Amino acid sequence: KAGVTQTPRYLIKTRGQQVTLSCSPISGHRSVSWYQQTPGQGLQFLFEYFSETQRNKGNFPGRFSGRQFSNSRSEMNVSTLELGDSALYLCASTRGGRPGWETQYFGPGTRLLVL
Amino acid sequence: GQQLNQSPQSMFIQEGEDVSMNCTSSSIFNTWLWYKQDPGEGPVLLIALYKAGELTSNGRLTAQFGITRKDSFLNISASIPSDVGIYFCAGSREGAQKLVFGQGTRLTINP
Repeated sequence: KAGVTQTPRYLIKTRGQQVTLSCSPISGHRSVSWYQQTPGQGLQFLFEYFSETQRNKGNFPGRFSGRQFSNSRSEMNVSTLELGDSALYLCASTRGGRPGWETQYFGPGTRLLVL
Repeated sequence: GQQLNQSPQSMFIQEGEDVSMNCTSSSIFNTWLWYKQDPGEGPVLLIALYKAGELTSNGRLTAQFGITRKDSFLNISASIPSDVGIYFCAGSREGAQKLVFGQGTRLTINP
C-alpha cells in the first residue's frame, strides 16, 4: 500500500506570493492533517479535514487555508507569503479517527522557502 | 502554540550505548506517542501508548506512559548508527482533538 505522498517536495517563492501544496493520503484514509515544522517552533498543527470538512483547526492566521476533495486528497494554501512561512509542511492521514486516537502516518513533507 | 517539554534537546553517544529521553506536560494526557524523523522525511511512529503505566517495547525501543499521565519516556538500548535522527514525543489531552509535539531530541552516534 502506498504511503502518504506530498507534492511538490521543494518550493521557492517570494514574499507576497501564494502557494498551494498537495497531499494524497494512504488509500482508504479519510482524515488528513497538516502541520508546519520549523526549527524554532517545532511541529505545529494547522488543521484537519475529514469527509471534505474541516474538523479541527490550529492557531494559524487566515492566510493558511485548506480543503479536501471527495477522494480524500487535500490541499493547503498560503496566501500573501511571509518570510516566516518558510518551513517544512507535513501532511498526515488516518483511516478516520482523530490524530492521537488512531495511528497517524506522515508524508515526507514539502519544504517551502520564502525569499 | 502549546508544546510538550522534551529533554534532552540533543545527545551525543557512542555506538552501543543506551539512550533515554523524556517528555513532560503540565496537563494530563490520554495518549503518548513517540516518533522518529530522518532528514528529509516525515516522522514515523515508533510506539503508541494509551494507558497510564503502560510499558511497550518495539525491538530495542521501550516507552512508558507515566502514572501521573503527565509524562512519558523512551529508551533505546544498544544504539546502532541507524538510530541517528530526531525523536519526537507527541500527545493528546483529554477532550482535545489534536496532537501536540515536543521540540525533539536530536540523537547523534559516534561510531
